[in-house]
Amino acid sequence: AQTVTQSQPEMSVQEAETVTLSCTYDTSESDYYLFWYKQPPSRQMILVIRQEAYKQQNATENRFSVNFQKAAKSFSLKISDSQLGDAAMYFCAYRGPPGTYKYIFGTGTRLKVLA
Amino acid sequence: GAVVSQHPSRVICKSGTSVKIECRSLDFQATTMFWYRQFPKKSLMLMATSNEGSKATYEQGVEKDKFLINHASLTLSTLTVTSAHPEDSSFYICSAIGRGSETQYFGPGTRLLVL
Repeated sequence: AQTVTQSQPEMSVQEAETVTLSCTYDTSESDYYLFWYKQPPSRQMILVIRQEAYKQQNATENRFSVNFQKAAKSFSLKISDSQLGDAAMYFCAYRGPPGTYKYIFGTGTRLKVLA
Repeated sequence: GAVVSQHPSRVICKSGTSVKIECRSLDFQATTMFWYRQFPKKSLMLMATSNEGSKATYEQGVEKDKFLINHASLTLSTLTVTSAHPEDSSFYICSAIGRGSETQYFGPGTRLLVL
């Protein structure tokens, strides 16, 4: 069975600095999708970034980028130039091959941004 | 694009009554919708998956007679908590996925309090 592990329950970063949130997963599939979602205090889940496993190039979205290491089954999120609005719970999620729709979520990492 | 709404955002009810929560995809057709439950400071727990026009698939341990799910159209799914008890108090989140998409888009959630 697939699993997603976020080993950092909480992280802190100084405003304008860079922070990396870790995520590892386990699967026997070769084609799958990985996601990072942000859940601020409003509790609205917001898609941060998405990675298709067949793509070797790491996904980037403005200040957010991932380090996708397929062989190591690692999918970390790097937030550059951290802002106060980045403070939130961050969830890593795995979705299997096309035709499967369920996500498997990690337990989340709470990110605090210090002014 | 890809906006999902939920209504109500907050509901308080008496024990023994039923509560209906609506989930709508506003600008796309949702072939599949998901219902999650989230306890404080915890990850999302998938309750069920629903496809338009067919019966929902419930996760192990979720009572289908208690949590009735209807996916009547490509833009609307409803979750009815029947004979609610205080232990049903929680935060319920829906998500939707469009045809050919890999990404779930989430509603803002509904906070249910059963007295």
